[in-house]
Amino acid sequence: NAGVTQTPKFQVLKTGQSMTLQCAQDMNHEYMSWYRQDPGMGLRLIHYSVGAGITDQGEVPNGYNVSRSTTEDFPLRLLSAAPSQTSVYFCASSYSGGTEETQYFGPGTRLLVL
Amino acid sequence: AQTVTQSQPEMSVQEAETVTLSCTYDTSESDYYLFWYKQPPSRQMILVIRQEAYKQQNATENRFSVNFQKAAKSFSLKISDSQLGDAAMYFCAYRHNTNAGKSTFGDGTTLTVKP
Repeated sequence: NAGVTQTPKFQVLKTGQSMTLQCAQDMNHEYMSWYRQDPGMGLRLIHYSVGAGITDQGEVPNGYNVSRSTTEDFPLRLLSAAPSQTSVYFCASSYSGGTEETQYFGPGTRLLVL
Repeated sequence: AQTVTQSQPEMSVQEAETVTLSCTYDTSESDYYLFWYKQPPSRQMILVIRQEAYKQQNATENRFSVNFQKAAKSFSLKISDSQLGDAAMYFCAYRHNTNAGKSTFGDGTTLTVKP
């Protein structure tokens, strides 16, 4: 199993550009989430999904869109990039009801908006 | 809304010694999970230990153990016999029982291990 994969690893954008951060998991997990991590801070939830076709907002959703058409994929779209969106983005997947519950994290995408 | 507070931005410990990282949280729920994650310089988030709120027994994983005080809403991590590889940022996280996709994180504690 590859676990949770994210592409790209690093991206530079200009203010106003749009882009999509890709996230995929091969563990058949029902839950997927996007977090951002700013310097010196913990992870903050952007959006999450409880299954294909179902998404909801987290703590900091403004400026981001998500959709979940398959169990495996959960892309994050930046509509019009702003310098305040410079951050490291983590995708995570998880399931509920097992004995080893946790979120499995991808390696992160570092985004720089100029 | 739930909040997680880590009051120690930085901690240091001598190799082979014991260190305790603090975490407090605020919730009105009774069924939830608490986690400690380790984030080394590679940025990969690694699960260290997990505690289910309904379990009174404190979780342990080898050199890592927690002191879970539900009434006080406190969840500290004890690292015994500290090793150089334990140096990292440590995050405390809360998650309600019914939503495995929605965790709340503290701001982290940077742990330095001195040889």
